[in-house]
Amino acid sequence: EVQLVQSGAEVKKPGESLKISCKGSAYIFTGYWIVWVRQMPGKGLEWMGMIYPGDSNTTYSPSFQGRVIISADKSISTTYLQWSSLRASDTAMYYCARQRQLEPLSYYMDVWGKGTTVTVSS
Amino acid sequence: EIVLTQSPGTLSLSPGERGTLSCRASQSVGSSSLAWYQQKPGQAPRLLIYGASSRPTGTPDRFSGSGSGTDFTLTISRLEPEDFAMYYCQQYGGSRYTFGQGTKLEIK
Repeated sequence: EVQLVQSGAEVKKPGESLKISCKGSAYIFTGYWIVWVRQMPGKGLEWMGMIYPGDSNTTYSPSFQGRVIISADKSISTTYLQWSSLRASDTAMYYCARQRQLEPLSYYMDVWGKGTTVTVSS
Repeated sequence: EIVLTQSPGTLSLSPGERGTLSCRASQSVGSSSLAWYQQKPGQAPRLLIYGASSRPTGTPDRFSGSGSGTDFTLTISRLEPEDFAMYYCQQYGGSRYTFGQGTKLEIK
């Protein structure tokens, strides 16, 4: 079964750094983009960015560019989302998802991780 | 950036009724670029429809998607108790994804 397994919940203080992970299994990890999505408490879904683990090519949403870094280690089928200095406004659920392509310029997310809750509070 | 507007914000229906959810784009979207997701409380989103009208394995056939251009619809033919949830539409264009703000389907 294709799965994306995300790291556990995190509680951090403002200004601290954080790196959360998403590990893929049962498929060719290097062949699919992984997308990161934020969901703030009680709110909708926001696309943050994505990475192609095969060559670590990344694309960021302008809303998140410069605030987070998306990386990958293809040797262990894992992608990461990291912050250098957290803010209270980073408190949210973070999902990773596998991107599929239907045809050129037609993409959707077919497999999702269960999410990582990040709480930033002093 | 293409903005997706879902309506209604909340839809109150009874089991067995037909549900119709709308997703309108601020500019034309390739029909194959529109997807729908279902999210239940405390769970990750789940893909329901891709390419505007295709169902992945596991999506019951009471769910159907339609539309093109700027107007898309998710229809649930006969609501089951497990269908009451949040629903999001999503498109990909201009090297970025956007999501609608969601429709909450609640039991009347």
